This record gives sequence, C-alpha cells and structure tokens, in this order.
Amino acid sequence: DAGVIQSPRHEVTEMGQEVTLRCKPISGHDYLFWYRQTMMRGLELLIYFNNNVPIDDSGMPEDRFSAKMPNASFSTLKIQPSEPRDSAVYFCASKQGGWHEQYFGPGTRLTVT
Amino acid sequence: ILNVEQSPQSLHVQEGDSTNFTCSFPSSNFYALHWYRWETAKSPEALFVMTLNGDEKKKGRISATLNTKEGYSYLYIKGSQPEDSATYLCASSSNTGKLIFGQGTTLQVKP
Repeated sequence: DAGVIQSPRHEVTEMGQEVTLRCKPISGHDYLFWYRQTMMRGLELLIYFNNNVPIDDSGMPEDRFSAKMPNASFSTLKIQPSEPRDSAVYFCASKQGGWHEQYFGPGTRLTVT
Repeated sequence: ILNVEQSPQSLHVQEGDSTNFTCSFPSSNFYALHWYRWETAKSPEALFVMTLNGDEKKKGRISATLNTKEGYSYLYIKGSQPEDSATYLCASSSNTGKLIFGQGTTLQVKP
C-alpha cells in the first residue's frame, strides 16, 4: 500500500485566495483525520470522518474552513478565503475501525502571504 | 490534568547516553496512549499504542511504560544514537479514535 497520500506537498498562495488540500486514505481505512501543525499550538485535530461522515468538527477554526469526504478514498480540506495565520503544515491521517493506530500522510506545507 | 503534557520540551544528549521523557494525560475516560516519532520534514510514525495499566512495550532500544491510574507514560531510549534525533509525541485517544497530542519532546543526540 502507498500509505496516506496528500497533495500538494507545498502550497504558497496570497491572502484571500481559496486553498484546497487533498487526501487519499489507506484503502480499507474507515476513519480519516485532518490535523494542523503550528509552532504555537502543536499538532491539533481539525475534523474527522467515519465512513465518510463528519463526526467531530469542533477543531475547525472558523467558517473559512470546510472539509468534505465524498467517498471512501478521497477527502478535501478547503480554506476560503485564506489568511496569513493559516500558514501551517496540514496532515491527513487514517485508521481502520477497531484498531488504535493512525497512519499519517506526508503533510501539506501551506504558506499564505 | 486536562491536556496531554510532555516534558522536557527539548533534550540534548551525547551518543551512548540513555534518556527518558514523560507524558501526562487525563486519567478519566482513558482509552489508549500513543507514542509517535516525528523526524523533520517527515510524517509522524507510530511507535507504540498502549491500553492497559502496567503495559510495557519495546522496540529495539526504545521502550515505553503506562500508568493509567495516575495518568502518565514514560518513553525510554537506551544508548541513544544520532539517528534517534527527532521529536517524540505522545497522544491520548478516546474510544472514537480522536487523538489529543502533547507538544512533544525534541531530542538531539550529538555524535
């Protein structure tokens, strides 16, 4: 298995632009998590899905952030409009129900200027 | 303890030294405790998942213990090597799989 796949790996955009981050979980995993890594707050959970359904989005910073999972093999995290304070590394992780271990993707480093 | 807390924040040791870090977590509603190893520019890699009080796990020179009653876990590295340099994260999870991470301990091993 290729592991969790994220794209793009790096994204540089201007303030006010829309940003879409993509994630493909490991095949067969029914949980998908989106995390954000910043120096100030460390690694924090934004939202997670079970069987494509959002279960807990309490970590989503504000209405500018939205996430979807249209099918079991694809999820997006969208920021519209983006702001400089959104600059961070965004990780996607997946796991199989009944198992504890989460597998992380390589992350997307987002820079908003 | 309401959050997952790790200490120390950073650690510098010489090659060959043994070292250990601490993770404190809420003992109420505990489900599992995770240790991850995170190298710069890479993704976090799972080291251990522990669920039972008294659990001890070992992988090569790295081992971990768990005390769920008092809410702490220790990670030990025996005979540190430069390739052990990384940030070590612990996380507490609920039965939903949601992970709450600590801020990590960054280890630097000097040759």
